[in-house]
Amino acid sequence: GQQLNQSPQSMFIQEGEDVSMNCTSSSIFNTWLWYKQDPGEGPVLLIALYKAGELTSNGRLTAQFGITRKDSFLNISASIPSDVGIYFCAGPRSNYKLTFGKGTLLTVNP
Amino acid sequence: DAMVIQNPRYQVTQFGKPVTLSCSQTLNHNVMYWYQQKSSQAPKLLFHYYDKDFNNEADTPDNFQSRRPNTSFCFLDIRSPGLGDAAMYLCATSRGLAGGTETQYFGPGTRLLVL
Repeated sequence: GQQLNQSPQSMFIQEGEDVSMNCTSSSIFNTWLWYKQDPGEGPVLLIALYKAGELTSNGRLTAQFGITRKDSFLNISASIPSDVGIYFCAGPRSNYKLTFGKGTLLTVNP
Repeated sequence: DAMVIQNPRYQVTQFGKPVTLSCSQTLNHNVMYWYQQKSSQAPKLLFHYYDKDFNNEADTPDNFQSRRPNTSFCFLDIRSPGLGDAAMYLCATSRGLAGGTETQYFGPGTRLLVL
């Protein structure tokens, strides 16, 4: 079945540093989604990518839909303490379900 | 403007005592989902409704049931909670678009504690 390989599993960075995480798949996806989950809260959609090669920004966040449709990355620039959380990539399947990556736990040291 | 609302945010129940979690949405989406999430793991789909059509995941225990009385509301019933059912329960919605382009919107979750 379709699986998403998300890396890194965790990151420890200093405030102000840039962060990059990515997801790869052995199967093609038509859409890539990036969510952030704060402790004790539900995942919040950060960026949705709908077209191969698409590069989309949302404030300090930038995400790209790989040209092969099998990968995506998320960059966070100039990290701040409130960026702490778990970031999930996800790909919708044709049956309305999502395949999730295992998540990247981000810790930002002030 | 909350779009997917879950109540309660925290629920404590006793071993074996039935519990119901609720979800409502203001998005008028066709599809509603229930997920179980254990610490630091990705959400695990339990079941979903497309309108009134119920779709159960093959590995969802019989202990978990769901009801969707109308478009806006969906309930998760846990008939006899065990200690292993302690988790975060997430409700999500989507429009119901075909072709693998769905975006799901999640509620804030209900943290269930089983004593």
